[in-house]
Amino acid sequence: GAVVSQHPSRVICKSGTSVKIECRSLDFQATTMFWYRQFPKQSLMLMATSNEGSKATYEQGVEKDKFLINHASLTLSTLTVTSAHPEDSSFYICSAVRGGGQPQHFGDGTRLSIL
Amino acid sequence: SQQGEEDPQALSIQEGENATMNCSYKTSINNLQWYRQNSGRGLVHLILIRSNEREKHSGRLRVTLDTSKKSSSLLITASRAADTASYFCATDLTDSWGKLQFGAGTQVVVTP
Repeated sequence: GAVVSQHPSRVICKSGTSVKIECRSLDFQATTMFWYRQFPKQSLMLMATSNEGSKATYEQGVEKDKFLINHASLTLSTLTVTSAHPEDSSFYICSAVRGGGQPQHFGDGTRLSIL
Repeated sequence: SQQGEEDPQALSIQEGENATMNCSYKTSINNLQWYRQNSGRGLVHLILIRSNEREKHSGRLRVTLDTSKKSSSLLITASRAADTASYFCATDLTDSWGKLQFGAGTQVVVTP
């Protein structure tokens, strides 16, 4: 169990486009979901923490108007990269957790390339 | 800033050998977790060790935790080519509300 689906896996689009990424916990209800960004050969950088029915908590330096997070249900969180530019190109990964003290279960990531 | 520092940054071994990687952290933790990431994929959870535990096993994996030294190690025994991946430690800090701080990772290459 504990499967997290992330969609799409790859996006290539023009500068100025807004891109929505979905993260779904398929077989459990996630109290919290997290969104990360990863640059090549680097570790994961936490962008924001998302709880169902409340506003996301963003890490320092992450623009909330740029990276819109919606957590509509206990199984779905979305990240929208608004008016994306080439510097937003990266690997975005979500994770979901059942509850406190539990491991995070990760999606397979979305490779975003902005031309 | 990253909480965990891992070493080595890269490790190249042959099948059948053991691989050991270490993780150090700076502040108090609820638990420490190890994850594996294959190239271009998401992370797979390997082991979670709580702050009151000293050692944990899962198959060919052995994790130790020394809270006095604020360090942990991951041992992969009898490695296989399929173990080739990046390995990350992540700390669940006592005041972080479930957020994880990831280390820089160790890139392991196992050659047949």
